[in-house]
Amino acid sequence: EAQVTQNPRYLITVTGKKLTVTCSQNMNHEYMSWYRQDPGLGLRQIYYSMNVEVTDKGDVPEGYKVSRKEKRNFPLILESPSPNQTSLYFCASSFSGAYGYTFGSGTRLTVV
Amino acid sequence: GDSVTQMEGPVTLSEEAFLTINCTYTATGYPSLFWYVQYPGEGLQLLLKATKADDKGSNKGFEATYRKETTSFHLEKGSVQVSDSAVYFCASSRAGNQFYFGTGTSLTVIP
Repeated sequence: EAQVTQNPRYLITVTGKKLTVTCSQNMNHEYMSWYRQDPGLGLRQIYYSMNVEVTDKGDVPEGYKVSRKEKRNFPLILESPSPNQTSLYFCASSFSGAYGYTFGSGTRLTVV
Repeated sequence: GDSVTQMEGPVTLSEEAFLTINCTYTATGYPSLFWYVQYPGEGLQLLLKATKADDKGSNKGFEATYRKETTSFHLEKGSVQVSDSAVYFCASSRAGNQFYFGTGTSLTVIP
């Protein structure tokens, strides 16, 4: 089944403790992206990648890092999480952005 | 910069009512336009898309037409069902990588 898989689905952590949210797609897509969803703000793009080793900042990149060492994986790294990063995070991939993205099921992160 | 504005919700309709959710976009040039749907506890699913002016996207009884003159992409359905209850997001993409989403419109359909 073609899908984008994120892990974990739920995560509660403490301020300052480094964490990684994994994202993997099995569709051989070139494009991958991370979003955060917050009430009243919709989805905001954090980072995106057009290919292996090519990443770029979205609208809200502060406090996040990404890497794209393999085409299928695009992990999101929070080096020192803070409470304002409590949110619902989505990873997405696409053959071409013009065709729309396939989204993962989301990761609900709580930073206390 | 690019942006998408969609009507605020929540929207509550009776089953079989007509649905319209308004969406307008701001962009330099002609972006691709999308409607996504998010069911409770799930990720976003692509509902329909249009890539150029006057294109009509359609899926599952939903339709939206790319109107360049009014920079709009309104979502419509002639007869909603309880199963259509979800949050709907309008989105645009000009460069193909950067997506701009609206804030979402929550729809509840009551029997």
